[in-house]
This record gives sequence, structure tokens and C-alpha cells, in this order.
Amino acid sequence: AQKVTQAQTEISVVEKEDVTLDCVYETRDTTYYLFWYKQPPSGELVFLIRRNSFDEQNEISGRYSWNFQKSTSSFNFTITASQVVDSAVYFCALSEAYSGNTPLVFGKGTRLSVIA
Amino acid sequence: DSGVTQTPKHLITATGQRVTLRCSPRSGDLSVYWYQQSLDQGLQFLIQYYNGEERAKGNILERFSAQQFPDLHSELNLSSLELGDSALYFCASSPRGGGYNEQFFGPGTRLTVL
Repeated sequence: AQKVTQAQTEISVVEKEDVTLDCVYETRDTTYYLFWYKQPPSGELVFLIRRNSFDEQNEISGRYSWNFQKSTSSFNFTITASQVVDSAVYFCALSEAYSGNTPLVFGKGTRLSVIA
Repeated sequence: DSGVTQTPKHLITATGQRVTLRCSPRSGDLSVYWYQQSLDQGLQFLIQYYNGEERAKGNILERFSAQQFPDLHSELNLSSLELGDSALYFCASSPRGGGYNEQFFGPGTRLTVL
């Protein structure tokens, strides 16, 4: 069965600090997809990134970067020079299989508070 | 704006009642998913439809049902409501049903059962 663990329930940082959100997943599939979503205080879920299991290249998008390591089943998310607008709950999610009808399995989320 | 719309935004009702939540997917998306977000359970998958047909079921109660219409919009029906059904209900859509598709979420419907 698939499972996503986000061990950090809440993190608080001061603006401009770097912060890493951890995500560990479990799956028996060799083909799977990992996602990060952001849920700001307004409540909507915003898609941030998708990664497939065959692509272990790290990705950078502005102040955001993602580190995917199959050896440790982790897909961590780093925000560099954090800003108050980064305050949100961040969810890591997993989907198995290329085809078929597999929904997202979410972790419990990490609440990030960035203090000015 | 994800392009997924959900109505209503808020819903307050009493125990025992029945409500219908509506979702319109992004233009061109064939697959619709329903999720429930509650404080104790987190984000839980309820049900998926693809081009009008049910494709996958998650932790959906028998009191809940859904359908996807020919125009691809979807409705989630919740009946015999209980206090514990109070939650944020999200609809998401994707182009197809495969796990590789990112899902785009609507703004959610906040249901409060009194």
C-alpha cells in the first residue's frame, strides 16, 4: 500500500531563512509520481511540482527546489530565503502507475509559518 | 486560478439533511476527483470519475454518492448528514485518469453540519 509521511507537523522560521520540508513515501510500484501542493490560508490547493520515479534530477524553480532520492524514498522541498507569503500548509502526495485510476495519497501536511 | 470551479463555497446545514456539491472541471479535462479534508483525517480521496464513468473509489461512505454528467461537471451528494461530515470538500480535475497527471484543485466547499 502507498503511504506518504511528513514528519514535521509545524515549522516556524524567520523571514529570509532557508527551510526544508521533508517527505518520505512508501510504494511497491516501480513507476510512481510524486507531487507537492501548497495550501495557503485562503484554503485552495495549489500544484507546485510533479516528479516521476525515473527522473531523479533535482529541480529548481526560483526560490523553490526539490530533492528526490529513491535510495531513501524521499522527496524533500526547500524554500530559499523564505518570505511571509510562503506561509502555508504544504502537502506531499504520491500516485502510483502510469495508467489506471490511482488518486493522490497525501501526507498529513507541514504547516510553515514565516515570521517577518 | 486553477480553472476548476466549485459551488457553493460555504454550506451550513443540520444533521440528517442532504446536500449537493457541484464541480466544473478545467476545460478539456475528462477526469474528476473528489477529496475530503478534515482536521483528524487529513486529505482523503473519495471517488473518481472519468468521462462519465466511475473509475476509482476511496474512503467514501455509503451515504455519499457522486456522478459525472455528459458535460463533464460532477456532483457529490451527501445524505443523512452527521456532525462528523463537517469538512472541506475539494474537487480536482486532470486531463486523463492516469497517475502521471497532475490534478488541479478547485477552491473547495466548506460544509458545516450543525
